[in-house]
Amino acid sequence: DVKVTQSSRYLVKRTGEKVFLECVQDMDHENMFWYRQDPGLGLRLIYFSYDVKMKEKGDIPEGYSVSREKKERFSLILESASTNQTSMYLCASSLGGRDGYTFGSGTRLTVV
Amino acid sequence: AQSVTQLGSHVSVSEGALVLLRCNYSSSVPPYLFWYVQYPNQGLQLLLKYTTGATLVKGINGFEAEFKKSETSFHLTKPSAHMSDAAEYFCAVTPSGYSTLTFGKGTMLLVSP
Repeated sequence: DVKVTQSSRYLVKRTGEKVFLECVQDMDHENMFWYRQDPGLGLRLIYFSYDVKMKEKGDIPEGYSVSREKKERFSLILESASTNQTSMYLCASSLGGRDGYTFGSGTRLTVV
Repeated sequence: AQSVTQLGSHVSVSEGALVLLRCNYSSSVPPYLFWYVQYPNQGLQLLLKYTTGATLVKGINGFEAEFKKSETSFHLTKPSAHMSDAAEYFCAVTPSGYSTLTFGKGTMLLVSP
């Protein structure tokens, strides 16, 4: 089975800190995605990537950036964390549209 | 652009009762449709998907869903609820040929004894 691993389950960071969320997948998937999940809002796409060094903005990219230096790793960066970025962050990977996604377990980030 | 509407943010059923979670979508081209389940403090797990072919699809844990093009619906059902089915369920759509999914806002399924 494809495995998507997010490095941290829970994180607490201070306002203004630079935050890195790491995601690694082990099945050679081309596509990787970052979503944030908030109660009542469902999942919202932040950034995605179709290949190494490629990135595309999703629906809510403001305040975030990403890095994909290797195929298996997709990092989400909060340049200067703010309290409104407190959320559950979900990473996913896929082969293509008809296959759906495989998700990691999520990182619950609290910014204080 | 595609969109997904899940009717009801919370659905309550008794153990042994029918589960029906509703999903309607809009898509300008034939869609691929998915249902995911999320247990507390976990990521999403694929329950089932429709891509082409048979419109009634069966998934894990006894769930199934039927693609109805005329109604633009993809409702999720299970004949008999179990306590372990209590979770949040998400419907998702992508136009065929694209890889980004658009998710509904989720429906929390509550199962009482």
